[in-house]
Parts: sequence; C-alpha cells; structure tokens
Amino acid sequence: NAGVTQTPKFQVLKTGQSMTLQCAQDMNHNSMYWYRQDPGMGLRLIYYSASEGTTDKGEVPNGYNVSRLNKREFSLRLESAAPSQTSVYFCASSGGGVGANVLTFGAGSRLTVL
Amino acid sequence: AQRVTQPEKLLSVFKGAPVELKCNYSYSGSPELFWYVQYSRQRLQLLLRHISRESIKGFTADLNKGETSFHLKKPFAQEEDSAMYYCALRQGAQKLVFGQGTRLTINP
Repeated sequence: NAGVTQTPKFQVLKTGQSMTLQCAQDMNHNSMYWYRQDPGMGLRLIYYSASEGTTDKGEVPNGYNVSRLNKREFSLRLESAAPSQTSVYFCASSGGGVGANVLTFGAGSRLTVL
Repeated sequence: AQRVTQPEKLLSVFKGAPVELKCNYSYSGSPELFWYVQYSRQRLQLLLRHISRESIKGFTADLNKGETSFHLKKPFAQEEDSAMYYCALRQGAQKLVFGQGTRLTINP
C-alpha cells in the first residue's frame, strides 16, 4: 500500500521555467492538499481539494495552479518559477469520518529555482 | 485570524529529562488540534490529536482553552524523540493550519 506518492523527488529549475509536481493517493481519500515547507515558516497550505472536482486556495497560492485530475491525483503547477518558490513541497490526503483532518503525507519534493 | 504559534524553533534537552513543546493558537470557535512529527528521513506523520485524549510514544497534550494552548509533554525524553514537531489547528471543514515547527534534539 503506497499511500501518497509524489514525483519528482528533486528538481532544479531556472527562473521562468515551468514544471508540474505530481501526486497520487491510493487510499480512496476525498481531500488532497499541497503544502510548502520553509525553514522558520513551518508548513503553509498552497491549495487544497476537498473533493474531486473542487479546488480552493490556501495561504500562499500566488504563482501556483492545481488540477484535481480525478479522485486519486492532484497536481501542482508552477507556470513561471521564481527563486522564492525554492522549497520542499508536500502533498497530503485525508479521508472522512474519524479520519477527517488526519493527513497522510507524501515523501516530499525538493525544488530549487536558480 | 486563526493562527498557530510555536514559540521555540529549537529545543534541546538531555535524555531522561522532561520535555515540553509549546503550542498556542487563536481560534474563535471550538478548536481541533493535532501534533505532527517528522523524524529524520521519514515522512511527516500524525503523533496525536486532542479529541483522542491518548498517549502516543509517551507523549500527551492537553487542550487548555483558557490559555489557548496545546502543549506537548513527555516526562522522560528518549534519544529517538529527536525530530521536527508541528502543532496544527483545524481551520474550516477540510483545512489544517500548521505552526512554524520546533526542532527537538535529545542529547545523550
């Protein structure tokens, strides 16, 4: 049981380049999230998707777009990367009922923008 | 605004000593709070949630609504407790807002 899978694990971009971070979960969770982790800033929510077909902005959505492709997959796109987007990105998912708001995280994707 | 504050970025204690990681929150409704932990080379994972009122790996956390706090405590620290700890607050139906994190180091 893989849980939450993110790709790629590492990526180096030049300023202005675009890329997409992929995320998939196999737990039949309704909700999916993208966070970024920066030293001293903790985890900040970029976008989330409460259910298939819906997406909403989090705390720091500028410069990003997301797609909830289906129930399993939630991608994060950087259209024109900037050095300020250098970070570690985490995808997470959560189910309903007693599991609501209990997040299962991916391993993270380390992005460097030069 | 709903906010989670972890005032200590770094905390270092000796093995066997008590440890307390502080978490304060601001929330107008009935809060639901969590502690997540990230051990070295492992994924971020849930440690405990206040509604469960349980002890995990010897850690407990009590919600104090008067002081708006949810401090994480363990009476006797162990070396394997060294990790990054995040306090989190449910915001709305489906979102969690996290604190800045505290890196705990247990010295032998």
